[in-house]
Amino acid sequence: GAGVSQSPRYKVAKRGQDVALRCDPISGHVSLFWYQQALGQGPEFLTYFQNEAQLDKSGLPSDRFFAERPEGSVSTLKIQRTQQEDSAVYLCASSLVMGDPDYEQYFGPGTRLTVT
Amino acid sequence: AQSVTQLGSHVSVSEGALVLLRCNYSSSVPPYLFWYVQYPNQGLQLLLKYTSAATLVKGINGFEAEFKKSETSFHLTKPSAHMSDAAEYFCAVSDSGGYQKVTFGTGTKLQVIP
Repeated sequence: GAGVSQSPRYKVAKRGQDVALRCDPISGHVSLFWYQQALGQGPEFLTYFQNEAQLDKSGLPSDRFFAERPEGSVSTLKIQRTQQEDSAVYLCASSLVMGDPDYEQYFGPGTRLTVT
Repeated sequence: AQSVTQLGSHVSVSEGALVLLRCNYSSSVPPYLFWYVQYPNQGLQLLLKYTSAATLVKGINGFEAEFKKSETSFHLTKPSAHMSDAAEYFCAVSDSGGYQKVTFGTGTKLQVIP
């Protein structure tokens, strides 16, 4: 079956532009996570949704970052007024249920954002 | 707070040799521990996980890891490296509760020499 998909796969933005990154989770998955992976680093947690509710946004680095999942399926990560330090791969993951590690997180291929 | 430390950002082994990737964790509560693999331009794939059952965990592609509480370690091993194992490997930890917020290590790139 289809896995987690993300679009676009690559995005180049000029500093100061706004960007929107899309995540299509696996159908029926309740939990959705966003991670930021800087070059040479491990992924870092940004935010978590349970269905349409954003339960944790403690990892968002600034108020320029905003995520939503209005209907409990597709999610969008928006970055306003992009800065060079926002350059990274943004990974989305989904999981069937909340809080049960027997249900693994499935990761998408990521969106590589380059801010010039 | 929970964290993992991966020792060695790059590891090289010969094809057919033992693979050993080291991971130490820090957690104030019983942890869940994971190893993920990432191939170039791809997302992460779960190799194996420890969730407080058996301390020796077997995963996909012949990998296994042993949870050692006394050493706070969760090292990843494979008896015989294959060329297709060349990738980046991430150790990760989450609390044994909550919603599975995962904290990743900085990764170890495995090179397999023919």
